[in-house]
Amino acid sequence: DTGVSQDPRHKITKRGQNVTFRCDPISEHNRLYWYRQTLGQGPEFLTYFQNEAQLEKSRLLSDRFSAERPKGSFSTLEIQRTEQGDSAMYLCASSSYVDTIYFGEGSWLTVV
Amino acid sequence: DAKTTQPNSMESNEEEPVHLPCNHSTISGTDYIHWYRQLPSQGPEYVIHGLTSNVNNRMASLAIAEDRKSSTLILHRATLRDAAVYYCILRDVEGSNYKLTFGKGTLLTVNP
Repeated sequence: DTGVSQDPRHKITKRGQNVTFRCDPISEHNRLYWYRQTLGQGPEFLTYFQNEAQLEKSRLLSDRFSAERPKGSFSTLEIQRTEQGDSAMYLCASSSYVDTIYFGEGSWLTVV
Repeated sequence: DAKTTQPNSMESNEEEPVHLPCNHSTISGTDYIHWYRQLPSQGPEYVIHGLTSNVNNRMASLAIAEDRKSSTLILHRATLRDAAVYYCILRDVEGSNYKLTFGKGTLLTVNP
């Protein structure tokens, strides 16, 4: 079963370091979403791609965050100069047009 | 995005039916009602969705009120593996990206 794959699953980093998460969507899904989830809260939307185009960014996505989806396949989410407040689970999801959105298992980030 | 209201938590016994309510009084005609659930330390998992008619699948049933201002997710026989946070989400099919906007959901506890 080739669902949405995220890597790494867990990352511990020191404050001020850069981190990058990768997401491989379900094959042929043209829509890709990034969410962030902190303890006790529901997932919060960060950004959305249709193919390689980034069509929407949340205000949560500060200038330290950047997401890319080259060639409309996998996507990366980079966080520069991490802060303790960035500690969260980062979720990737994909869908095909108006079809069901499927989520990956998430990437846990701990900033120490 | 139209809002949904769910109880913070509910409790059930194993092998008994569970009815999870959701109020969405401001639902629009193009909003589909989606349910996702999230098991501990995992990404959200699609459960079921509907527009006007009641829906059944292998995981659950969705009962939608005639005025569409409320809905109920029905788990016919709860198991311990159904313990999760259940999210009721309205998804606008005419929106440009069809993203999901999560609330806090209902934490379902299943007692053995």
